[in-house]
Amino acid sequence: GDSVTQMEGPVTLSEEAFLTINCTYTATGYPSLFWYVQYPGEGLQLLLKATKADDKGSNKGFEATYRKETTSFHLEKGSVQVSDSAVYFCALAHQAGTALIFGKGTTLSVSS
Amino acid sequence: DTGVSQDPRHKITKRGQNVTFRCDPISEHNRLYWYRQTLGQGPEFLTYFQNEAQLEKSRLLSDRFSAERPKGSFSTLEIQRTEQGDSAMYLCASSFRDPHTEAFFGQGTRLTVV
Repeated sequence: GDSVTQMEGPVTLSEEAFLTINCTYTATGYPSLFWYVQYPGEGLQLLLKATKADDKGSNKGFEATYRKETTSFHLEKGSVQVSDSAVYFCALAHQAGTALIFGKGTTLSVSS
Repeated sequence: DTGVSQDPRHKITKRGQNVTFRCDPISEHNRLYWYRQTLGQGPEFLTYFQNEAQLEKSRLLSDRFSAERPKGSFSTLEIQRTEQGDSAMYLCASSFRDPHTEAFFGQGTRLTVV
């Protein structure tokens, strides 16, 4: 079945460091890919998405490119801030459009 | 409308008791989803509704679980004869059409079965 695998955390960085969180997926067809973020005490919220191969999603300085050849959707940010500390979830929506399938989440902790 | 709201935020219950959770989606959204999230895991799909019709149920949803969405508005998730393994965060989400569009999540109901 469809699945999402993302790198284990926690990821601990200093402010202004470069961030990469790896995400790979297994799915039939052409899923849409998402990154959701969960800040402490808050609900999940969409960070960015890409709906077809080679699309780049971007928001708040974060970027991810839909790579069909490597079945990947890695999240990157050039310079992280303390306020980026959160849990990040990679997810896919199957072409059939039923429900989101999530990875296990990666905790990011940024210190000043 | 301030987003998806869930009630209660926390629930502690004794094993064997029944519990019911409520979700109020964003009013224009016709799709509503329930997910379960345990510690260190991502959300796992339980079931979803399109308007009032329950269109899909996960294998995770045993016969002790039932969900309803009367009149296509709010939804309830009931767990009968709770077990310790039911302890988790129960998340509700809503969207306009399908998960290819943005799904908006509530803050969840944390269930602890003692």
